[in-house]
Amino acid sequence: DTGVSQDPRHKITKRGQNVTFRCDPISEHNRLYWYRQTLGQGPEFLTYFQNEAQLEKSRLLSDRFSAERPKGSFSTLEIQRTEQGDSAMYLCASSGPGQGIYGYTFGSGTRLTVV
Amino acid sequence: AQSVTQPDIHITVSEGASLELRCNYSYGATPYLFWYVQSPGQGLQLLLKYFSGDTLVQGIKGFEAEFKRSQSSFNLRKPSVHWSDAAEYFCAVGSNYQLIWGAGTKLIIKP
Repeated sequence: DTGVSQDPRHKITKRGQNVTFRCDPISEHNRLYWYRQTLGQGPEFLTYFQNEAQLEKSRLLSDRFSAERPKGSFSTLEIQRTEQGDSAMYLCASSGPGQGIYGYTFGSGTRLTVV
Repeated sequence: AQSVTQPDIHITVSEGASLELRCNYSYGATPYLFWYVQSPGQGLQLLLKYFSGDTLVQGIKGFEAEFKRSQSSFNLRKPSVHWSDAAEYFCAVGSNYQLIWGAGTKLIIKP
């Protein structure tokens, strides 16, 4: 088990472009979570999945943000029409059945820079 | 409103000195409580966690934390810091699926 993997590690994009990040959770983990961390702040919850179902998405920052987990394994987070304020670290975590937040394992994150 | 306060943005301690990082929270029910550490370019690593039982919790790397319900606090301590402890430390609280985080305390170690 290699832990939670996120790809890419770094992404530089021009304002207005769309970006997509990928998260591969620990294989037996059924829950997957996305957070955003801006400079000097703690992470901020965005959304989470249980298997392929997105159970909470009201915290996604705007309708430019969307996430999928089509087969209950990896997940993607897409940001459309990026803005400079989207520059941040995007973190993924997963947890196993019945663990919830008590069993979080975080990936190393994807750092997005919008220029 | 649910919130976590880490009052110290930066703390500087000498190597070998003791450390205490403060965390206060506001939450409707008794939450799960966590301390994480983040080194530059690294992901978040769990130091320790608490939900119930003994209010003094032991974690990895020689860290411990004490839950004080009356003060809504969960302070992190270490008796003797090492240069490798220099990092950013985050307190977090939550229940079910979501964690609410403090803004972090950056620990600087003086040689």
